[in-house]
Amino acid sequence: QKEVEQNSGPLSVPEGAIASLNCTYSDRGSQSFFWYRQYSGKSPELIMFIYSNGDKEDGRFTAQLNKASQYVSLLIRDSQPSDSATYLCAVTPGPDKLIFGTGTRLQVFP
Amino acid sequence: DAGITQSPRHKVTETGTPVTLRCHQTENHRYMYWYRQDPGHGLRLIHYSYGVKDTDKGEVSDGYSVSRSKTEDFLLTLESATSSQTSVYFCASAGGNTEAFFGQGTRLTVV
Repeated sequence: QKEVEQNSGPLSVPEGAIASLNCTYSDRGSQSFFWYRQYSGKSPELIMFIYSNGDKEDGRFTAQLNKASQYVSLLIRDSQPSDSATYLCAVTPGPDKLIFGTGTRLQVFP
Repeated sequence: DAGITQSPRHKVTETGTPVTLRCHQTENHRYMYWYRQDPGHGLRLIHYSYGVKDTDKGEVSDGYSVSRSKTEDFLLTLESATSSQTSVYFCASAGGNTEAFFGQGTRLTVV
């Protein structure tokens, strides 16, 4: 079993809709959870992090964490074509390691 | 954004030759990471460091070694390059909360 799993997509949503991206992880001891966005040919950039169960909102982005279910999600409200990218979930199964999922490709069409 | 630079940005090398990639950060970050990114595999951790001279293996460490003699520098060496090591390599650094920031990437081609 992979440590961090994501659906590879593509996830296609119309402009203005809510995009929902999901991630599961295998290590129950994981403490920190991150979402990165990566445009084609570019480096990953950090967009959200969450450490506690529940929701964390930042502008159009909401990260949700459920440690009991080992599940973390990212909601993007009012999706824009500029949000089209690959979204990478990352988890710290130990204090030093940072493990990524394979990413979900999001396509927002006008 | 954290100041992280990778060098070289592009490299073509021959099978069997050693190759060293350099990552330099100016943020005094404790943690540094080397990943490779291949289609269908996402970012896979090669090696990571949690301090000067403190390193550990990641998911895909075979054929790679690292060194960290200074806080700001983390070197990745391919001991004898193979075609399967053709990839895009990313370095990242993080402070105490492991919010990692990435360099621009190095595209390595082994022919």
